[in-house]
Amino acid sequence: EVQLVESGGGLVQPGGSLRLSCSASEFTLSRLWMSWVRQAPGKGLEWVANIKEDGSEYSYVDSVKGRFIISRDNAKNSLFLQMNSLRVEDTAVYFCANVKSGIWGPGTLVTVS
Amino acid sequence: QAVVTQEPSLTVSPGGTVTLTCGSSTGVVTSGHYPYWLQRKPGQAPRTLIYDVTNKHTWTPARFTGSLLGGKAALTLSDAQPEDEAEYYCLLYYSGPWVFGGGTKLTVL
Repeated sequence: EVQLVESGGGLVQPGGSLRLSCSASEFTLSRLWMSWVRQAPGKGLEWVANIKEDGSEYSYVDSVKGRFIISRDNAKNSLFLQMNSLRVEDTAVYFCANVKSGIWGPGTLVTVS
Repeated sequence: QAVVTQEPSLTVSPGGTVTLTCGSSTGVVTSGHYPYWLQRKPGQAPRTLIYDVTNKHTWTPARFTGSLLGGKAALTLSDAQPEDEAEYYCLLYYSGPWVFGGGTKLTVL
């Protein structure tokens, strides 16, 4: 079954760091642009970042620029999100996805408190 | 960054038709924004229904149709079913960043 699974979420204090990982199964992640999307409690979906197939291009939502870094390791079929200087407002469920193909992970909860 | 606007809530009767829209603060929504429509139900991951304006996935019910309408992206649901009750989000591309709309809570009642 084609799937993505996120890991690395948890509870962290403001100003702290976390690194999210996303592993792909039954498909080759290296062929796809990949994204991180989040949803804060009681809020809507928010696109966070994406990265080109070979990692040569990436974009971020303004609110995370300079704090978050998206990366990938195609040899390990994995996607990452390094989150630094975390704020209370970064609290959310974080999803990795290739939105166009409709492949989404179940999400991992990040709580900054 | 741009702001993407959707109706906060809509109600449709079972068997009825409803159109959800997606506007952009930068002006007319075009195919260059590659509009997506996603469905979100509680406890489930988002599900991509429509991509690149009109394209459906194999899991997208035929009663959902994407289009460009009056300068906006649109999602039309025909013959609404109770299981279509959910939040619907559009997603637009802005030459680098992507931006979600605020979502439309659709009630089938």
